[in-house]
Formats: sequence, structure tokens, C-alpha cells
Amino acid sequence: GDSVTQMEGPVTLSEEAFLTINCTYTATGYPSLFWYVQYPGEGLQLLLKATKADDKGSNKGFEATYRKETTSFHLEKGSVQVSDSAVYFCALTGSQGNLIFGKGTKLSVKP
Amino acid sequence: EAGVAQSPRYKIIEKRQSVAFWCNPISGHATLYWYQQILGQGPKLLIQFQNNGVVDDSQLPKDRFSAERLKGVDSTLKIQPAKLEDSAVYLCASSLGPAPNSPLHFGNGTRLTVT
Repeated sequence: GDSVTQMEGPVTLSEEAFLTINCTYTATGYPSLFWYVQYPGEGLQLLLKATKADDKGSNKGFEATYRKETTSFHLEKGSVQVSDSAVYFCALTGSQGNLIFGKGTKLSVKP
Repeated sequence: EAGVAQSPRYKIIEKRQSVAFWCNPISGHATLYWYQQILGQGPKLLIQFQNNGVVDDSQLPKDRFSAERLKGVDSTLKIQPAKLEDSAVYLCASSLGPAPNSPLHFGNGTRLTVT
């Protein structure tokens, strides 16, 4: 079945470092791809999405490009801040329009 | 707009007891989802409603879990009897329609501990 694989965490970075969180997927058809973020004590929030191949989603300095040839949707940010500390989930749309999530990657940014 | 409301926020029960969670979606959202998030894992879909009809409940353990969405608005998820492995955060989400055109809005979840 459809699935998402994310890099294992936790990831610890210093402020202003470059961030990459890898995400690859397995799916029949052409799903839409998402990154969700969960800040401490809060609910899941949509960070960005891409609905077709070569689309780039972006929000709050984060970017991810839908790469059909490598079935990937890696999350990147050029300069992380302490406030970016959170758990990041990669997800894709299932056949019924629901979301299938990866296991999540915890990011800690140190000042 | 008001977000997705869930209650209770925390619940501790003993195994074999029953428990119920409540969700009030964003007004006007036709699609409602219940997800189970076990510690260290991503959310897993339990059931998806479109208005008051079930779209997908293939991963709902129907011998112990049940859910309903009366009148196509609020929803309750029940576990009876609970097992230790049911300890998790139960997330409710709603959207105007199915993804990807309609983003999912998540509640803060109910953290269940089964002892």
C-alpha cells in the first residue's frame, strides 16, 4: 500500500544552520504531498504542500519540491531558528482523500 | 474561525474499561477524520466520515472501537474494552472536503493512557 518514509530523528542544529529532512514515498498513481508541523503542546498544522510533479511548496522559509523521478519530497530551510523546533511529518493523500503520514522527525534548534 | 475542538484533553483508564472521546469540527466542514498517534509514530487513520456517512474505516479495530457522527457534525470515538496498546493520542481533523484541495485542520488531541 501507499506509504511514507522519513529520515530518523532527532535532528539537532544550531541556529542559522541549513536544514534538510528527507522524505520518500511509495504510491500508486500521483498523490499530493504535504509537510505538517507539530509545535510543542499544539496540534498538527499544514506547513506546505505540492499537488503535482515538479511543484515546489513553500511557507515560512521552508521549501519542498515534488520529485516524481526519485519519489521524494525533501524539506529544506536555509537558516533555522529556535522557534522552528518541532516535529515534522511528511504525508501523502490516500485513495479516499485521507492523509497517510510518515513517522515524524523531531527537530531541535539550539541558540 | 474556531478550530477543531476535542475533549477531554487527557484520560487515564485501566485496561478493560471503556472510554469515549468527543470532537466538534470546524463549522461547515463535511469531512471528519479520527487518527491514532502512538508515541514515536505518525498519525494513522482510524475512520473517515463524509457528512454522517463512513468513507473509510478499514483500519478501525471494530471489535473494540466504534465511532459515529450523528447529524453530520459532532463525532464520538469509543473504545470498549481498552487494551494497553490503545495508549496513544487520538486526533480529530476536519476539512471542507477530501484532500488535497481541502486542507485538514487538526484538533489538539486526546492523550489516552491505559494502565
